[in-house]
Amino acid sequence: DTGVSQDPRHKITKRGQNVTFRCDPISEHNRLYWYRQTLGQGPEFLTYFQNEAQLEKSRLLSDRFSAERPKGSFSTLEIQRTEQGDSAMYLCASSLGLGNTGELFFGEGSRLTVL
Amino acid sequence: AQSVTQPDIHITVSEGASLELRCNYSYGATPYLFWYVQSPGQGLQLLLKYFSGDTLVQGIKGFEAEFKRSQSSFNLRKPSVHWSDAAEYFCAVGEGLSKSTFGDGTTLTVKP
Repeated sequence: DTGVSQDPRHKITKRGQNVTFRCDPISEHNRLYWYRQTLGQGPEFLTYFQNEAQLEKSRLLSDRFSAERPKGSFSTLEIQRTEQGDSAMYLCASSLGLGNTGELFFGEGSRLTVL
Repeated sequence: AQSVTQPDIHITVSEGASLELRCNYSYGATPYLFWYVQSPGQGLQLLLKYFSGDTLVQGIKGFEAEFKRSQSSFNLRKPSVHWSDAAEYFCAVGEGLSKSTFGDGTTLTVKP
């Protein structure tokens, strides 16, 4: 049984560069969530998908952030023109759709450091 | 908008002592409430959840939580803490069955 996997686990980039994170959810889960976590804070909601449909985006997301889930399986989160304030842990979680009890299954996160 | 407050940023308890972590939420409807634990280098793991029914819920690793609607609270408890319980604990409120809003967490240190 594989859980939620995220890649890469750690990314160091220079300001202004683009970065992309990948998330593979638990296979039977049709909901997928992205959260951002900074030091000393709890996860902040970014966006979520049901299958391939993006249902909600947070106001935290600027137009530099985009997320896709093209076939309703894995998802990517891209940050364009990175800024130092984007340094954070990016968390992916998945959950069941039908029969969902609200429980989120999290990956270990992708840590972004912007120099 | 829903929100979660965890008043205690850091708590230290001795091994074998009891533990209570506080959580207060703000949500207009009947809340879905969760406690997650995050150990260093690991993803968040669900400890327990409340949707309806019995206001005292049992979770994994010997944890329990009590929902008190009148106080908008969902405090986490454990009667006897083990050194392996040292971690960060997050309370969350679910907006129906869509996204969850998390508190800023409480870091638990366990003294030998």
